Amino acid sequence: EMQLVESGGGLVQPGGSLRLSCAASGFTFSSFSMTWVRQAPGKGLEWVSYISSRPGIIFYADSVRGRFTVSRDNAKNSLYLQMNSLRDEDSAIYYCAREAPWGATWFYSWGQGTLVTVSS
Amino acid sequence: QAVVTQEPSLTVSPGGTVTLTCGSSTGAVTSGHYPYWFQQKPGQAPRTLIYDTTNKFSWTPARFSGSLLGGKAALTLSGAQPDDEAEYYCFLSYTDTWVFGGGTKLTVL
Repeated sequence: EMQLVESGGGLVQPGGSLRLSCAASGFTFSSFSMTWVRQAPGKGLEWVSYISSRPGIIFYADSVRGRFTVSRDNAKNSLYLQMNSLRDEDSAIYYCAREAPWGATWFYSWGQGTLVTVSS
Repeated sequence: QAVVTQEPSLTVSPGGTVTLTCGSSTGAVTSGHYPYWFQQKPGQAPRTLIYDTTNKFSWTPARFSGSLLGGKAALTLSGAQPDDEAEYYCFLSYTDTWVFGGGTKLTVL
């Protein structure tokens, strides 16, 4: 069964760092691009980052560029989001999502998300 | 950065039809924005319903359809059911950036 499981969320102080992971199973992870989306408490969805299957074509939202770094380890079937210089407004549930089996279509499947809280 | 606009809230009667729209601050929404539509219920991850304006996934109920309407992307729900009560988001592609709409809270009442 295809599955995406995010982890690594938690409470962090402003200016701190956190690394999120998204563990993939049930499909050939290395063949598909991945996306990070976040949702602040009680707010809408916000696209955060995209990474291609291989080699690394990467995009970031303006709100995180220069502070967040997306990466993947295809040997470990894992996607990562390194978040530095965290701000209060980065508090959100972070979801990873995968590309469709036929390619070029995002958001075929979503994880359940991991909660990041930035607060002093 | 482009702003994507949706109706904040809409109400539809059970069995009725409702159309949600998705506009862009940059001008008319076209197929080149590759519109997506998502459904999200409280406490759950989003579920993708429509991609590339009109295309459905295998899990998309037949009562949902996507289109372009009056310079906007549109999601039409025909024959609303109580289970369709949820937040609906659209998503548009621009050059090297991608933007979600603010969401429409759909009430079935």
